[in-house]
Amino acid sequence: QSALTQPASVSGSPGQSITISCTGTSSDIGAHNYVSWYQQQPGKAPKIILYDVSNRPSGISNHFSGSKSGNTASLTISGLQPEDEADYYCNSYSTGNHFVFGTGTKVTVL
Amino acid sequence: QVQLVESGGGVVQPGRSLRLSCAASGFTFNTYAMYWVRQAPGKGLEWVAAISFDENTEYADSVKGRFTISRDNSKKTLYLQMNSLRSDDTAVYYCTRDYRGKYFFYWGQGTHVTVSA
Repeated sequence: QSALTQPASVSGSPGQSITISCTGTSSDIGAHNYVSWYQQQPGKAPKIILYDVSNRPSGISNHFSGSKSGNTASLTISGLQPEDEADYYCNSYSTGNHFVFGTGTKVTVL
Repeated sequence: QVQLVESGGGVVQPGRSLRLSCAASGFTFNTYAMYWVRQAPGKGLEWVAAISFDENTEYADSVKGRFTISRDNSKKTLYLQMNSLRSDDTAVYYCTRDYRGKYFFYWGQGTHVTVSA
């Protein structure tokens, strides 16, 4: 199972909006809505920020939002803040009860 | 609150074995699926293995036949037995708790495994 494809890096100024894409196949992202996103701050464990494509767990800021079209999911960070600087990974449930992560995107706040 | 504490990491020679443990607390352990996810140095996340509440298991192709995931519900502990270790198994290994069979909702702090001669 190949990793989902994400851009290596995305940057933006404080207050701007950025979007991170996550491209898979008809066997994973395109097959259902079991897409999630994880934020990983340097030196820390990942934290889930979106599930079911666009649902936020309790306590997660509403400036994170998600969407999906075909085999591509997207994470949008609105009103970029310095504390949003981190690595972001998408994940999709896949065939055979397996899971596949994205390649990861480093977000830099300029 | 949910707590997951991994242990058992270390430095091991290629071809040897290692067993990781993950002690869980703050939730009803025997009703949730659990997972192991790893991250090689400077690299991305990789799903390793899954075990359902009733002990059905799944593995990534990269570890199938070498790693075994198991659980002891009476001890609220998840395990990962790693055999025939290779240098590309070097990573931080995270224990994670499931949500609805599809998501890694809670994560431990990770345990480091280094495979080196």
